[in-house]
Amino acid sequence: GAVVSQHPSRVICKSGTSVKIECRSLDFQATTMFWYRQFPKKSLMLMATSNEGSKATYEQGVEKDKFLINHASLTLSTLTVTSAHPEDSSFYICSARVGGTDQPQHFGDGTRLSIL
Amino acid sequence: KQEVTQIPAALSVPEGENLVLNCSFTDSAIYNLQWFRQDPGKGLTSLLLIQSSQREQTSGRLNASLDKSSGRSTLYIAASQPGDSATYLCAAPGTTSGTYKYIFGTGTRLKVLA
Repeated sequence: GAVVSQHPSRVICKSGTSVKIECRSLDFQATTMFWYRQFPKKSLMLMATSNEGSKATYEQGVEKDKFLINHASLTLSTLTVTSAHPEDSSFYICSARVGGTDQPQHFGDGTRLSIL
Repeated sequence: KQEVTQIPAALSVPEGENLVLNCSFTDSAIYNLQWFRQDPGKGLTSLLLIQSSQREQTSGRLNASLDKSSGRSTLYIAASQPGDSATYLCAAPGTTSGTYKYIFGTGTRLKVLA
């Protein structure tokens, strides 16, 4: 149980392209979804927290207009990297949680984004 | 401000050894603490979640303990196997700018040699 699917697993595209990453909870309804970014050999950095039907809460230093997050349903959240540049290349991981802060987060397999 | 530290950063052991991974956190006002495993180029797999009212949790060969008063958690792996090779991350909740979120340690890269 508690499977989170993230798609695509890898994206390579040209600078200036917008890229959409999907995060789906397959067998549960996620109250809250989280988007993280991970640099090589570094730990995860939270980018934003989103609750279904409301605007995402972004962490300090994360550009809202660059990283658009939509959480339209209890099973789907999307992250769109707009006008991507090489410095946006990274590993992006989503997670989903049912219920409150005492519940575990379940993670997707991540998306490797490479901007040429 | 919550800060999470993991020691050691890397560990290489022969197969069959019992080992302990350490996680320290600065803010003991936590609801829970979660241990994860990350394989190269992959997402995170949840291993154990310990609630603040618990002292330990067990799953197979894994045992995680939590001591809130000292700000420490340990992950014990019994009879290690080459398949246990991965990066192990712990995450403790913290609050910054009013947002309650997980703060991750930098991980322990484990290599179990056959």
